[in-house]
Amino acid sequence: DAGVIQSPRHEVTEMGQEVTLRCKPISGHNSLFWYRQTMMRGLELLIYFNNNVPIDDSGMPEDRFSAKMPNASFSTLKIQPSEPRDSAVYFCASSPGQGWDNEQFFGPGTRLTVL
Amino acid sequence: AQSVTQPDIHITVSEGASLELRCNYSYGATPYLFWYVQSPGQGLQLLLKYFSGDTLVQGIKGFEAEFKRSQSSFNLRKPSVHWSDAAEYFCAVDPLTGGGNKLTFGTGTQLKVEL
Repeated sequence: DAGVIQSPRHEVTEMGQEVTLRCKPISGHNSLFWYRQTMMRGLELLIYFNNNVPIDDSGMPEDRFSAKMPNASFSTLKIQPSEPRDSAVYFCASSPGQGWDNEQFFGPGTRLTVL
Repeated sequence: AQSVTQPDIHITVSEGASLELRCNYSYGATPYLFWYVQSPGQGLQLLLKYFSGDTLVQGIKGFEAEFKRSQSSFNLRKPSVHWSDAAEYFCAVDPLTGGGNKLTFGTGTQLKVEL
């Protein structure tokens, strides 16, 4: 089992550029989560999907952020245009189901730096 | 306001010493409670979780946690710390509003182990 796969692991971009982060959940998992981790705000849930459908996107900071899950094995988080305050580590996690007793398995994260 | 608090930002212990990391929550009803560990450059890994029943929960890597309703606490303990336990530890809650799996994380406690 390869675990949750995220790419790229590191991304450096300039303000105003479009950034796309990618996630491949564990095969067979039905729920997928995007988190952002910063020193100031800690670990925040941005959005989560169940069976490829967005369930709760209330944590998405603003319209510059969008997330998609076109199929069960792939999700993207896009920032357009990027700003320096978007610099953070972005984690993707997946779990077998939507219930509270399903453990979330985290990927290694993507460290984003916006100059 | 609903919140989860980890009062200790940094803790240093000697290898072989006992460890207790504090976590307090503020919710109307008892939420589901979790402890995660994050090693440098890695994603989060679940140590243990509490939903109901026995208030002393055993987890992986020799960790345990005790739920105390009267104190709204869920402190993590380990009898004898190993150097490999150096990491950041996060307490998390699922407040059981809406669907399951919507975790809110504390700000984390950074554990340093002195040899």
